[in-house]
Amino acid sequence: EIVLTQSPATLSLSPGERATLSCRASQSVSSYLAWYQQKPGQAPRLLIYDASNRATGIPARFSGSGSGTDFTLTISSLEPEDFAVYYCQQRSNWPPVFTFGPGTKVDIK
Amino acid sequence: QLQLQESGPGLVKPSETLSLTCTVSGGSISSSSYYWGWIRQPPGKGLEWIGSIYYSGSTYYNPSLKSRVTISVDTSKNQFSLKLSSVTAADTAVYYCARHMSLHTGDWFDPWGQGTLVTVSS
Repeated sequence: EIVLTQSPATLSLSPGERATLSCRASQSVSSYLAWYQQKPGQAPRLLIYDASNRATGIPARFSGSGSGTDFTLTISSLEPEDFAVYYCQQRSNWPPVFTFGPGTKVDIK
Repeated sequence: QLQLQESGPGLVKPSETLSLTCTVSGGSISSSSYYWGWIRQPPGKGLEWIGSIYYSGSTYYNPSLKSRVTISVDTSKNQFSLKLSSVTAADTAVYYCARHMSLHTGDWFDPWGQGTLVTVSS
């Protein structure tokens, strides 16, 4: 079973700052990685799929990179609405199992 | 715009079966390239994929839940459903349904329903 680890657990930043979130897989997941944003009381929202592709309607300040075991979600300049929890998600090839990381909370410093 | 809406009892007794339905609107559940998935989130915790189904009825389940999970689809109603048997307090969670994109390049869930809280308690 592939395990995803996210770091840091909490990231305290100010609006306008750059956020760098890490997701590490216990074995290679190629580029089969997605990122989601979840605000309190809301469902998760897809941000990035296939490691680096922005989902429809996602602002350009969100970018994803990486392949294999190490992935990064970058928010170039934090807006007030970006303070939330971010999850990564991977697919293992066989059997097809989809797992999420434990999440990184981005809160206001 | 595709929308998903979960429905079902908010309270289930221990040892009974949890049953939820997801109604898809704004698009057909029979679209190719899409599976339809269930994901849950215990209060204050992370996300756990439960399983996914194709409109033909082909399913994938999380191995950790497989023995208790059944997901079915009703294309005539544009709905898919989740049954989780022998529930315990550990199954208390917000249950989400979502469209599951499955391509050779990867899998992701988008969009999601708003979620429904199911509490297991006597």
